[in-house]
Amino acid sequence: EAGVAQSPRYKIIEKRQSVAFWCNPISGHATLYWYQQILGQGPKLLIQFQNNGVVDDSQLPKDRFSAERLKGVDSTLKIQPAKLEDSAVYLCASSLATGVGTDTQYFGPGTRLTVL
Amino acid sequence: AQSVSQHNHHVILSEAASLELGCNYSYGGTVNLFWYVQYPGQHLQLLLKYFSGDPLVKGIKGFEAEFIKSKFSFNLRKPSVQWSDTAEYFCAVMGGANNLFFGTGTRLTVIP
Repeated sequence: EAGVAQSPRYKIIEKRQSVAFWCNPISGHATLYWYQQILGQGPKLLIQFQNNGVVDDSQLPKDRFSAERLKGVDSTLKIQPAKLEDSAVYLCASSLATGVGTDTQYFGPGTRLTVL
Repeated sequence: AQSVSQHNHHVILSEAASLELGCNYSYGGTVNLFWYVQYPGQHLQLLLKYFSGDPLVKGIKGFEAEFIKSKFSFNLRKPSVQWSDTAEYFCAVMGGANNLFFGTGTRLTVIP
């Protein structure tokens, strides 16, 4: 079974530039998550989709971050404009969403963003 | 609010030593707990999980964890570590919307 795919794996940009990350979840997984992992910290949820609807985006800095999952499969996360503190690994995860509290999330390899 | 504390930031052990990594959580609802591992250069992988039932949970690669409700703890254990266990270990609690709240992680270095 193919895992969660993410691209690019690495990205270096200058502050105030824009950047986009792509995620393809495991086939059949209805729920998709984007996490931000800053060096030395655990992953922090940015946004959660159930099919193509947003379940939770309370931690997403909406003035600069946006995400979409138009067809309920692939998802993109965008940052515009980027700040130095956005340097982090952006993780995508997916789960079947078979029931509350029984889901296991499977993570992709992440995109390491460096903002100069 | 949900939160997870991992008190050990970096643990260094010799091969064959026993391992215990601490994890304490704060959550008012039904508790679902996880340990994930990230080997060098690899993505996060599920090590084990607790949803209900037997509080002693066995995972992959000889790891186990014990859920102690009275102590709000879910410590990870392994009786004898190997060099290949060198990795970063994350404890997480699941929130009401099935999202995960992670601790800051513990880096384990096993010396051959």
